[in-house]
Amino acid sequence: GAVVSQHPSRVICKSGTSVKIECRSLDFQATTMFWYRQFPKKSLMLMATSNEGSKATYEQGVEKDKFLINHASLTLSTLTVTSAHPEDSSFYICSARRQGRTMNTEAFFGQGTRLTVV
Amino acid sequence: QKEVEQNSGPLSVPEGAIASLNCTYSDRGSQSFFWYRQYSGKSPELIMFIYSNGDKEDGRFTAQLNKASQYVSLLIRDSQPSDSATYLCAFNKGNFNKFYFGSGTKLNVKP
Repeated sequence: GAVVSQHPSRVICKSGTSVKIECRSLDFQATTMFWYRQFPKKSLMLMATSNEGSKATYEQGVEKDKFLINHASLTLSTLTVTSAHPEDSSFYICSARRQGRTMNTEAFFGQGTRLTVV
Repeated sequence: QKEVEQNSGPLSVPEGAIASLNCTYSDRGSQSFFWYRQYSGKSPELIMFIYSNGDKEDGRFTAQLNKASQYVSLLIRDSQPSDSATYLCAFNKGNFNKFYFGSGTKLNVKP
């Protein structure tokens, strides 16, 4: 299957700082990537859809100024958590769709990033 | 009402038994349905997907879809301790790979 790499896998940061998470599709081009957040024992919640070369589309209730998304190339999307607070501590996961494939195909997930804000 | 409903469990079955996981969804526009397995602290991994009514089998796994009842299930035959994980059902409805996930059912397979 296709490979999506996410980095870093774990990060601890101080409250008020910003953290950047990278999501790369290693062996295919992804015009669209998705960012999810998962709290302990909860499901994955879609945060935003990242579109190559255009603005991201955010789900209701997600602050676009706090969660900055950049999709500058067909293989890389970044999520920056700005002015992080302890309540932002969570597991962040990206997924990517292979360009040209139909809708009825799997989402390829990154390994996830465990963010802890202290 | 949540878009996808799953019993959080835990569901405990003995090794070798059949584990049955269920999921209901509210949006009749849903088009494709997916079952993912997630180990603690890891990303979800796809088990299988289904988009036509009926059964779809892949090895020890069988997915069942009933669109009229808005119900999808996953059967795991000959359950193994390594199957112990949280199982997430998901669906998409138009936007490619924009998935909506259930909260997951935790499965424990006891040796």
